[in-house]
Amino acid sequence: EVPLVESGGGLARPGGSLRLSCIASGGILSSAWMSWVRRTPGKGLEWVGRSQSDGVTTHYAAPVKGRFIISRDNSKNTLYLEMTSLKIEDTAVYYCATEIGGARYVAFDIWGLGTMVTVSS
Amino acid sequence: SYVLTQAPSVSVAPGQTARLSCGGDLIGPNSVHWYQQRPGQAPVLIVYDDNDRPSGIPERFSGSISGNSATLTITRVEAGDEADYYCQVWDSSTDVVFGGGTKLTVL
Repeated sequence: EVPLVESGGGLARPGGSLRLSCIASGGILSSAWMSWVRRTPGKGLEWVGRSQSDGVTTHYAAPVKGRFIISRDNSKNTLYLEMTSLKIEDTAVYYCATEIGGARYVAFDIWGLGTMVTVSS
Repeated sequence: SYVLTQAPSVSVAPGQTARLSCGGDLIGPNSVHWYQQRPGQAPVLIVYDDNDRPSGIPERFSGSISGNSATLTITRVEAGDEADYYCQVWDSSTDVVFGGGTKLTVL
């Protein structure tokens, strides 16, 4: 069984919106900080944002702050990434990942398979 | 914004040792982590907290720190090691940062 499965990717127009989902198995979501990370064609891996286990605290990378929102429904074992005001440079494969490290560091030990987002007119 | 610098590419013959570097000012005070990403696959954590390996990662992969530079060393390189490798740190001020990645080519 794959621990994390993303969905919701597809084609969007510049200025449009998409919502990605990440379904977690094994009950890992409710106790874990989670991040979204994207792989862009020209820039490699780029961290997008992260959500505390209870969903109250979130942090975002500068390029997406104010446009993307991370939320979660722990009862449904699902993490979301709401993307608005999409730009061509948001084109990427988007991964959700679980974090380890506690207060000392942040590393990503479990990754989903990714979902492709293409922003094009 | 904070930057982690990696060489774009490294080439090594099978059986030899590859050393991939990652440089940046926040490396000294913060833990460094390394990921391997093969084409079409999700990234895999191969070294965390500077020099620890997750279970299942071969001992051929190791990490080290010297000043503001981190090194991922891969001994006895195999064809299957051909991939992109990324370093990553977290700092309470800058949050999560990835290096630009190094493409390892096995000759």
